[in-house]
Order: sequence, then structure tokens, then C-alpha cells
Amino acid sequence: KAGVTQTPRYLIKTRGQQVTLSCSPISGHRSVSWYQQTPGQGLQFLFEYFSETQRNKGNFPGRFSGRQFSNSRSEMNVSTLELGDSALYLCASSLAGTGSSYEQYFGPGTRLTVT
Amino acid sequence: AQKVTQAQTEISVVEKEDVTLDCVYETRDTTYYLFWYKQPPSGELVFLIRRNSFDEQNEISGRYSWNFQKSTSSFNFTITASQVVDSAVYFCALSGTYNQGGKLIFGQGTELSVKP
Repeated sequence: KAGVTQTPRYLIKTRGQQVTLSCSPISGHRSVSWYQQTPGQGLQFLFEYFSETQRNKGNFPGRFSGRQFSNSRSEMNVSTLELGDSALYLCASSLAGTGSSYEQYFGPGTRLTVT
Repeated sequence: AQKVTQAQTEISVVEKEDVTLDCVYETRDTTYYLFWYKQPPSGELVFLIRRNSFDEQNEISGRYSWNFQKSTSSFNFTITASQVVDSAVYFCALSGTYNQGGKLIFGQGTELSVKP
């Protein structure tokens, strides 16, 4: 089975721009979660999508948004980029439904640099 | 609120030494899940283990073993006879259940360096 794929792998943007990152989950996985990893804050949960609905949300400003398509692929968008948004953005997929918690499998990440 | 603490920021050992990575968690949930992930220099997080709150049995997988103690809210990870390839950052994580399963709360990570 193919793993989680993320595109693009690297991205350089300028302050004020917006960016869209894409994630394709493992086949059959319906849950997709997004995380931001920075040296200072570590790994922080952004949001989770399950069956095209946002099911959980972390403590990030509204500039961070996402969506999930009917094939479970997900995108996240960051508008009005700030220097502090420079980070590794990780996507993870799992079988998570309701009533349990399954292991998440992570993609290689998108390294975003904001200048 | 849920929280995971990995007090050891960095650990350095010599190959073949045993090493234990500590993880302490906080949660008000009665049902929850604990995880360990490995992040090698390549950057991709690799799943190692999942344990639910009702299963306190220790687990061993090759050179890896995990000790879960609800009484002390700890889920420690031991690598026996460490190897250079074990060098990585290791993360402990916690999630709830029901509709919280897709949200992992990570500790700050422990960077393990195994020297030849």
C-alpha cells in the first residue's frame, strides 16, 4: 500500500501571500490530521477531517483552514502568511472512526519557508 | 486539559548501552490512547506503538520495550543494546477516544544520539 503523500515537499513564500498544501492519505483511511512542527513549539495539532467534515480543531488562528474531498484527500490553506508560519507541515491519516483511536501514519511533510 | 511531558530533551549513549526514554501524561479521560513515534533525520514520523488505557501489560518488540503505569501516568520506552540507527527524535503522544481520536497531543520529544 502506498503511504501518505504530501505535495509540494518544499515551498518558499513571501509574507502576506497565501499557500495551499495537499495531502493524499493511505487508501481506505478516512481521517486526515494536520500538524505544524517548529523548533520552538514542537508538534502542534492543527485540525482533523473525517468524512469531509472538520471533526477537531487546534488553537490556531482562522488564517489556517482546511478541507477534505470525497476521496479523503485533504488540503490546508494558510492565508496572509507571517514569518512565524515557517514550519514543517505534517499530514497524517488513520482509520479513526468513532469510539476508538487508531495509529496515525505520517507523510514526509511540506517544508514552508516564509520570507 | 491533556498534556504530555518528556523531561529529557537530549540523551547521548554509546552503542550497546540500554536507554530509557521517559513520558508522563495528564488527562481527565478514563479511556485514552498512548503512542510512541520516531523521527529520524529524514524527518518522517514513524509509528512505533499504540496502547490503550485499559491495557497495562508491558510490551516487547525486538530491542524495544514499553512500560505503561497508570498509577504514575507514565509510558516509558526502553531500547536495549542501542545501535547507531536508533539515533532520532522520539515523541510520546496522547489521544482521547470517540471523536477525539484524530487529535494527537505530543510531548516535546527526546533527541537520542547513539555514538559508535
